[in-house]
Amino acid sequence: KAGVTQTPRYLIKTRGQQVTLSCSPISGHRSVSWYQQTPGQGLQFLFEYFSETQRNKGNFPGRFSGRQFSNSRSEMNVSTLELGDSALYLCASRPGGLQETQYFGPGTRLLVL
Amino acid sequence: AQKVTQAQTEISVVEKEDVTLDCVYETRDTTYYLFWYKQPPSGELVFLIRRNSFDEQNEISGRYSWNFQKSTSSFNFTITASQVVDSAVYFCALISSGSARQLTFGSGTQLTVLP
Repeated sequence: KAGVTQTPRYLIKTRGQQVTLSCSPISGHRSVSWYQQTPGQGLQFLFEYFSETQRNKGNFPGRFSGRQFSNSRSEMNVSTLELGDSALYLCASRPGGLQETQYFGPGTRLLVL
Repeated sequence: AQKVTQAQTEISVVEKEDVTLDCVYETRDTTYYLFWYKQPPSGELVFLIRRNSFDEQNEISGRYSWNFQKSTSSFNFTITASQVVDSAVYFCALISSGSARQLTFGSGTQLTVLP
């Protein structure tokens, strides 16, 4: 099976802009989670989608949002970008259950200038 | 609340040495799952192992082995005869029924294996 794919791999934006990142899960996986990784805060959970519904949300401002489509592909959006949003954004998929392993994509590196 | 602590920020060893990466976790739940992931410079998190809270058997996979001890809330990872390709950041993570279904990661251990 193909792994989790994320596009784009690299992005450069300026403050105030918005950005949309895309994630295609492993075939058959219905859960997609998003994480932000920064040198200062480490890996932090953003949100999880399952069957097009947000199932869980981390402690991030409302500027961070996401959605999931019927084919389980997911997008996350960050509006009004701030310098502190510069990070590696990782997407992970799993079939759906709590005990199941999350498999990660290669990530999108976002730089906000 | 749950927490994962990886006290070793950086470890440097010479090739063929054995190295152990420590992981200590905190959770109030009785059902939980522990993971180890490897992150090479490319950035992708590569899954290594999953353990559930009811299975304390140690596991060996090639040069990798894991020691899970509930009594000390630890889930340590040992690489035997390390190789340069083992150089990466290693993360320990925890998920439980009470964690709102989110993985909680430790801060990671940067392992450098020198030739």
